[in-house]
Amino acid sequence: AQSVTQLDSQVPVFEEAPVELRCNYSSSVSVYLFWYVQYPNQGLQLLLKYLSGSTLVKGINGFEAEFNKSQTSFHLRKPSVHISDTAEYFCAVTRRSGGYNKLIFGAGTRLAVHP
Amino acid sequence: DTAVSQTPKYLVTQMGNDKSIKCEQNLGHDTMYWYKQDSKKFLKIMFSYNNKELIINETVPNRFSPKSPDKAHLNLHINSLELGDSAVYFCASSQVGTSADTGELFFGEGSRLTVL
Repeated sequence: AQSVTQLDSQVPVFEEAPVELRCNYSSSVSVYLFWYVQYPNQGLQLLLKYLSGSTLVKGINGFEAEFNKSQTSFHLRKPSVHISDTAEYFCAVTRRSGGYNKLIFGAGTRLAVHP
Repeated sequence: DTAVSQTPKYLVTQMGNDKSIKCEQNLGHDTMYWYKQDSKKFLKIMFSYNNKELIINETVPNRFSPKSPDKAHLNLHINSLELGDSAVYFCASSQVGTSADTGELFFGEGSRLTVL
């Protein structure tokens, strides 16, 4: 079975500062990794995903994440945040092998960007 | 041209009532899901259907019954609603077992259920 740990429940940051949201996963098989964002009162939107290949993945809105297999981590980064980035961010994992995708989510990290 | 749409978006009802939430996807996917997001924002899978067949059924009370009339629709019916059922319910879809299978789920906007 897979599991995801998001190490910070809340991350406050000032506008234009860099941010890192941490995610660690556990799995006995190869996995796909995702970051989703949820703006207030909205659904989940995919930010980026790691399937294979380059360990540095670029996503929408200037976000990127790095897959580190040895540390079983998939941390999300942005060099300069905006007020509009205030949202809940979810790291998620699913097993790579074929079959039905049971996407397992972390508990979420609330990013609060202050002026 | 919403990809995954849910209705209703908001639902307020009394304990003991029965209610349904409907979901439709126009992405041509073969697999659909229901997730529950609790008040602490935690997301947990409830059910998954592949081509109208139930394939994932987590430990959900029997009061919850999903129904998939075709692969583009997945409805959730809840009997005898309880206070603890208050949550946001998300429908999602994906394509499984083809070259388009990347594990990514596409989510609807959610249906906020409040049980009084």
